[in-house]
Amino acid sequence: DAKTTQPNSMESNEEEPVHLPCNHSTISGTDYIHWYRQLPSQGPEYVIHGLTSNVNNRMASLAIAEDRKSSTLILHRATLRDAAVYYCLPHNYGQNFVFGPGTRLSVLP
Amino acid sequence: NAGVTQTPKFQVLKTGQSMTLQCAQDMNHNSMYWYRQDPGMGLRLIYYSASEGTTDKGEVPNGYNVSRLNKREFSLRLESAAPSQTSVYFCASSAQGYTEAFFGQGTRLTVV
Repeated sequence: DAKTTQPNSMESNEEEPVHLPCNHSTISGTDYIHWYRQLPSQGPEYVIHGLTSNVNNRMASLAIAEDRKSSTLILHRATLRDAAVYYCLPHNYGQNFVFGPGTRLSVLP
Repeated sequence: NAGVTQTPKFQVLKTGQSMTLQCAQDMNHNSMYWYRQDPGMGLRLIYYSASEGTTDKGEVPNGYNVSRLNKREFSLRLESAAPSQTSVYFCASSAQGYTEAFFGQGTRLTVV
């Protein structure tokens, strides 16, 4: 399994953009990069995933480095509800979802 | 659309008691998973089922058994509960391929 490295914690001010980094230098060429988040006392929820090019959805944007060794989850305007633990994980066909410790994001009013 | 439903939401067991955690999904997913999450920790995979009729061990299977009853349901059984099994248990499902996983809301289990 590819290993990922994320900061333990980050802080952001409400309504400002947040850039959450993830290093995955041992990712294979066919691994997708998935992001999930876990709000307090809830199960993880899917945020976004991508392979090579940048991806956007209603929740966030995913910027993938050209060499695919790192990626950044972008929340365009953080709200208090975005305070959560964010997990980055490579995932391939037929593989399990392996979660690391993630990044705890605090959003300050 | 209910997604992944887990029952019960909370449970307190005495050491040595047995119980079954239930999980059902209504998305016609092939793969289902059981994770545990200890306080302040990440998720660890207990067992998974890649398709109906198959189950495999994950990272921390000791003390647990599973049954993939049909495509919808995947249960986790603790035969003789121990305090070390106090945790929050999450069930998840996914379609085969590169798609995302969907998680239930969890079962908070305390073994005293």
